[in-house]
Amino acid sequence: NAGVTQTPKFQVLKTGQSMTLQCAQDMNHEYMSWYRQDPGMGLRLIHYSVGAGITDQGEVPNGYNVSRSTTEDFPLRLLSAAPSQTSVYFCASSYSNGYYGYTFGSGTRLTVV
Amino acid sequence: DQQVKQNSPSLSVQEGRISILNCDYTNSMFDYFLWYKKYPAEGPTFLISISSIKDKNEDGRFTVFLNKSAKHLSLHIVPSQPGDSAVYFCAARDGQLTFGSGTQLTVLP
Repeated sequence: NAGVTQTPKFQVLKTGQSMTLQCAQDMNHEYMSWYRQDPGMGLRLIHYSVGAGITDQGEVPNGYNVSRSTTEDFPLRLLSAAPSQTSVYFCASSYSNGYYGYTFGSGTRLTVV
Repeated sequence: DQQVKQNSPSLSVQEGRISILNCDYTNSMFDYFLWYKKYPAEGPTFLISISSIKDKNEDGRFTVFLNKSAKHLSLHIVPSQPGDSAVYFCAARDGQLTFGSGTQLTVLP
């Protein structure tokens, strides 16, 4: 049982480049979300999805796009990377929006230079 | 404006003693509260939770207390062990989860 798998683990981008952070879960969870973790800021919600075909914005959505074509996958796209997007990104999934806790991936550390 | 605050960035305790981690919140609509533990280079892992209709929940060495009138949440770890050294995040739900900024707990052998 792999849980939540995030790829890549590390990435360096140049300002203006685009990329996709991958997230996949094998627990048949309907709810998935993306967070970013910055020093002193905790985890902040970027986007979330309550099921295939349904996504919505979180607290800090600007500069990011998401889509949910399958239950398993929830990729996060950076459209034009900026140094302010340097962060650690976590994907999470849940059976029922948190009642039993979210399962997090191990994170993607992104540096934008 | 942070709706969930962990005002202590760090806490050190001796092995075997009690660790108390605190969390304050401002949103009265939060209906569910959770604690997560995070080791370096890993994702957060769910530790314990409590519904807003309760004031205490226990799971082994971990107990979470909720004081709704004070809008205060605390996590007690008894006895503390060196393996408990990690960053602890509290989180609260009002539709989505809002996380605090975390407290680094160090348990000294």
